[in-house]
Amino acid sequence: AQSVAQPEDQVNVAEGNPLTVKCTYSVSGNPYLFWYVQYPNRGLQFLLKYITGDNLVKGSYGFEAEFNKSQTSFHLKKPSALVSDSALYFCAGSGNTGKLIFGQGTTLQVKP
Amino acid sequence: NAGVTQTPKFQVLKTGQSMTLQCAQDMNHEYMSWYRQDPGMGLRLIHYSVGAGITDQGEVPNGYNVSRSTTEDFPLRLLSAAPSQTSVYFCASSYVTGDAYEQYFGPGTRLTVT
Repeated sequence: AQSVAQPEDQVNVAEGNPLTVKCTYSVSGNPYLFWYVQYPNRGLQFLLKYITGDNLVKGSYGFEAEFNKSQTSFHLKKPSALVSDSALYFCAGSGNTGKLIFGQGTTLQVKP
Repeated sequence: NAGVTQTPKFQVLKTGQSMTLQCAQDMNHEYMSWYRQDPGMGLRLIHYSVGAGITDQGEVPNGYNVSRSTTEDFPLRLLSAAPSQTSVYFCASSYVTGDAYEQYFGPGTRLTVT
């Protein structure tokens, strides 16, 4: 069965420090991987995606993600966190079924 | 360009009542889908459609019905509401299937079933 896992319910980081939100996947075929962000009482917003090519993907708001095929991971990163980055982050993936599977979500808390 | 719109934003139903959640998009997207979001469970796919007249079941389809008579609209019907359907519902759309293209999400409908 296909799955996407986010092992951390919450990540806490100080403003200005680098942040990482973890994601691992298990999909059949070539993986298509996405990160979305959700602010309170809002819908999900697309941040970035990996389809093929360069393993380091750059996205919106200074976020990037690294695709690692051997570790089946797609961790979200940012070199310097902002308080405004505090939100709920979802990793999602699909393989050859065409259906998008979401992780459980990770709450990012950035403290001043 | 309004993107993906959903109505209503909030709804309270009694057990056994039926209702329709509306979803519309103005981006000429072929693919549309409905998800429910529950704490600690991420988003789970209810139903999806790859074009007008074509629908299919997702991960949690029981108790829900959909139709796609136009490219723009994709309503979700709750046939007989149950407390287990208390959730936040999101509609999403994308250019083709949901695999290689990012999805655009509506603002959500918060449903409470008492």
